[in-house]
Amino acid sequence: GAGVSQTPSNKVTEKGKYVELRCDPISGHTALYWYRQSLGQGPEFLIYFQGTGAADDSGLPNDRFFAVRPEGSVSTLKIQRTERGDSAVYLCASRSRGGSIQETQYFGPGTRLLVL
Amino acid sequence: KQEVTQIPAALSVPEGENLVLNCSFTDSAIYNLQWFRQDPGKGLTSLLLIQSSQREQTSGRLNASLDKSSGRSTLYIAASQPGDSATYLCAPRMDSSYKLIFGSGTRLLVRP
Repeated sequence: GAGVSQTPSNKVTEKGKYVELRCDPISGHTALYWYRQSLGQGPEFLIYFQGTGAADDSGLPNDRFFAVRPEGSVSTLKIQRTERGDSAVYLCASRSRGGSIQETQYFGPGTRLLVL
Repeated sequence: KQEVTQIPAALSVPEGENLVLNCSFTDSAIYNLQWFRQDPGKGLTSLLLIQSSQREQTSGRLNASLDKSSGRSTLYIAASQPGDSATYLCAPRMDSSYKLIFGSGTRLLVRP
């Protein structure tokens, strides 16, 4: 595809429910990132994949959050037992490998999650 | 722990003005630094990327400088236009990691 896509664009759920957020990176990009952005703040890092494996998951806030990338392309961020504090915009970014231009992370439009 | 501060938090200027957005970071061990633009309800668009060995980068009316040792970067916007209205975010990448650490951004409004 032309850019990073994320689905759904908006998700409203009730406290305690399970949600899945999907990210389709730019074709051929081996690195994939998830960030979370609260209102009025900059994005905060959650997890980084290089290929299929999670190279750095130090930003996941607790064990309710989990992410996978089984085939090294599409990634799914999973949130169990959602809480109102999980409400935020979840951003996905992908990056190619090597070279200064290819260091740029390309961001998707985000999924706006609202937990009632 | 890297902390990134952006000043001012908000800025409103008349069209045509030149302006400077400031970014400071506490840990100078960075690999590079990116400036992004975010429009309301949208994702982030990369504007400029400066490697740690560089002092500045230019793209059109935008110029970004980096003083790694003092932990500062500035984004200069020349001849501002209403279409420049957006939130501008700076994000250094640490030497030891591939993740970006973002500031809270500067919300810019350029009035016609």
